[in-house]
Amino acid sequence: DAKTTQPNSMESNEEEPVHLPCNHSTISGTDYIHWYRQLPSQGPEYVIHGLTSNVNNRMASLAIAEDRKSSTLILHRATLRDAAVYYCILRDLRNNNAGNMLTFGGGTRLMVKP
Amino acid sequence: KAGVTQTPRYLIKTRGQQVTLSCSPISGHRSVSWYQQTPGQGLQFLFEYFSETQRNKGNFPGRFSGRQFSNSRSEMNVSTLELGDSALYLCASSLVRGVDYGYTFGSGTRLTVV
Repeated sequence: DAKTTQPNSMESNEEEPVHLPCNHSTISGTDYIHWYRQLPSQGPEYVIHGLTSNVNNRMASLAIAEDRKSSTLILHRATLRDAAVYYCILRDLRNNNAGNMLTFGGGTRLMVKP
Repeated sequence: KAGVTQTPRYLIKTRGQQVTLSCSPISGHRSVSWYQQTPGQGLQFLFEYFSETQRNKGNFPGRFSGRQFSNSRSEMNVSTLELGDSALYLCASSLVRGVDYGYTFGSGTRLTVV
């Protein structure tokens, strides 16, 4: 199964953009890239997902490298409420069972300084 | 609209007992999955239900079981509790099965086994 690699932690200043990287060098052509985040004392929260093209929604943007071996979650203006663990997860379109379970790695703990 | 509701929020049980946790998905969501979160192992997939059928199961012993009802509500049961079963148990729901959809998680049930 394709795996993801993320930095253990990152720091950001409030109101500045944050770029959270994810490496997935063994990604297959049918793997969707999903991002979730987990705020303290809460369950994970879906952020965004994409396949090949960059994606934007009200929470964040997802930039996917042309070779798809890496991706970056972009928070345009970090707030204190964005302090959380961010998980990058691959979901395989081909495998209807494995693709329907989320395999969480260690994620990136984002700390936001006021 | 109401989110994913898990009950109870907190539970203390004694070794050897059994426990049942409940999850009410978002109205209209038919796929329900369960996850276990511990400090040592992180977030791990337990099982997935869709249309009252278990579609996928993680690598957990047979003491862990679940079911889904016709209204999509789900329960999970752990029998013969062990100290290592102390964890946050999270339920997630999705409209349908498919990697092009995100999951909505509940806030979890914190189980402590003493």
